[in-house]
Amino acid sequence: EAGVVQSPRYKIIEKKQPVAFWCNPISGHNTLYWYRQNLGQGPELLIRYENEEAVDDSQLPKDRFSAERLKGVDSTLKIQPAELGDSAVYLCASSFANWTSGGGEQFFGPGTRLTVL
Amino acid sequence: LAKTTQPISMDSYEGQEVNITCSHNNIATNDYITWYQQFPSQGPRFIIQGYKTKVTNEVASLFIPADRKSSTLSLPRVSLSDTAVYYCLVGTDSWGKLQFGAGTQVVVTP
Repeated sequence: EAGVVQSPRYKIIEKKQPVAFWCNPISGHNTLYWYRQNLGQGPELLIRYENEEAVDDSQLPKDRFSAERLKGVDSTLKIQPAELGDSAVYLCASSFANWTSGGGEQFFGPGTRLTVL
Repeated sequence: LAKTTQPISMDSYEGQEVNITCSHNNIATNDYITWYQQFPSQGPRFIIQGYKTKVTNEVASLFIPADRKSSTLSLPRVSLSDTAVYYCLVGTDSWGKLQFGAGTQVVVTP
């Protein structure tokens, strides 16, 4: 079974440029997550989708970040314009069920390493 | 969300047992305890999850005392490939939100 697919794996851009990340979750997983991971830190949740609906985007910097999950499958995370501080690894994860109080098992992709110059 | 505290790093030799203890004094009644493993340039991978007492799978064991204010991940007979960062996570809201801390860097040497 294929895991969570993310592209690109690496991206280098200059500040003020736009950038987009793509995620294809595991087939059948209704919940999709975007995380940002800074060097030496754990992942930080940016947004969570239940099917097409963004149910938690409280940590998403909405002035420059946007996300969409059309048709409840693939998802795209966009940054426009990018800033130096956006350099990080952007991780996508998916899970099958809406677990209560445990989170169940989330399956993570390999991430996209973004470098903003 | 309950806050977790775990050691920043641990060193071990191949073949030894590694025990990582995580403190979570504010754990809620319905909260579970979950551990993830992360290798460089990869996303985290689920290891084990438990609510109370002991849980064991093919990879690790999770020990949770009766008061549930801490938990210990036990990795038996580690190998070099167990070198990774290990994250302890406690509870979520009803929508499955996970809050990662900084994790514990485990380094296994020959």
